[in-house]
Amino acid sequence: DTEVTQTPKHLVMGMTNKKSLKCEQHMGHRAMYWYKQKAKKPPELMFVYSYEKLSINESVPSRFSPECPNSSLLNLHLHALQPEDSALYLCASSHPTSGGAVDPGELFFGEGSRLTVL
Amino acid sequence: EDKVVQSPLSLVVHEGDTVTLNCSYEVTNFRSLLWYKQEKKAPTFLFMLTSSGIEKKSGRLSSILDKKELFSILNITATQTGDSAVYLCAVKLFYNTDKLIFGTGTRLQVFP
Repeated sequence: DTEVTQTPKHLVMGMTNKKSLKCEQHMGHRAMYWYKQKAKKPPELMFVYSYEKLSINESVPSRFSPECPNSSLLNLHLHALQPEDSALYLCASSHPTSGGAVDPGELFFGEGSRLTVL
Repeated sequence: EDKVVQSPLSLVVHEGDTVTLNCSYEVTNFRSLLWYKQEKKAPTFLFMLTSSGIEKKSGRLSSILDKKELFSILNITATQTGDSAVYLCAVKLFYNTDKLIFGTGTRLQVFP
């Protein structure tokens, strides 16, 4: 199984709603990532989890709250979002670095959750 | 600030043409450079390059890295309409964990 599965595929929410995006992988990867991609722009890194601990937060506003409940799951909780947060949210996973000289390899991406904030 | 820049931003060719996509980078703690193809949703992995001068090849696609001049190229020969996509270059940085920074992307359109 070389898939990263994201749900929902599409989400429309109001600015006062609370919703969550979910991501799941069963490749034994212990590093998981959230990226945000606006139209015609490259993906921008938001968060990185390594061994279920948050290791990178790219100064993301607190209205985005990540959670990694176990090694296969990654959530992104959304609250009080703004219309400019509308984007494609991509989850990815990889083997984590062990601090060694060997690169652990590529990131595998899910198909994304397309979020529209009204 | 870490920076990954791709050129050209956009390219329109006819089937059968050969194209060269460029990626240059200025980063700290370079670990590797990756190429992805993005058609509609998920970026799909093409190549990972860690050593200078060693060409990686897959069918009509090939790529090479120059760590001295800080760039990589992706070549596609005998292009087909199915090659139409955005090609993303990404640099992996090494801190206490891996961090992948994407370039601006090159949008390739191949017409019959």
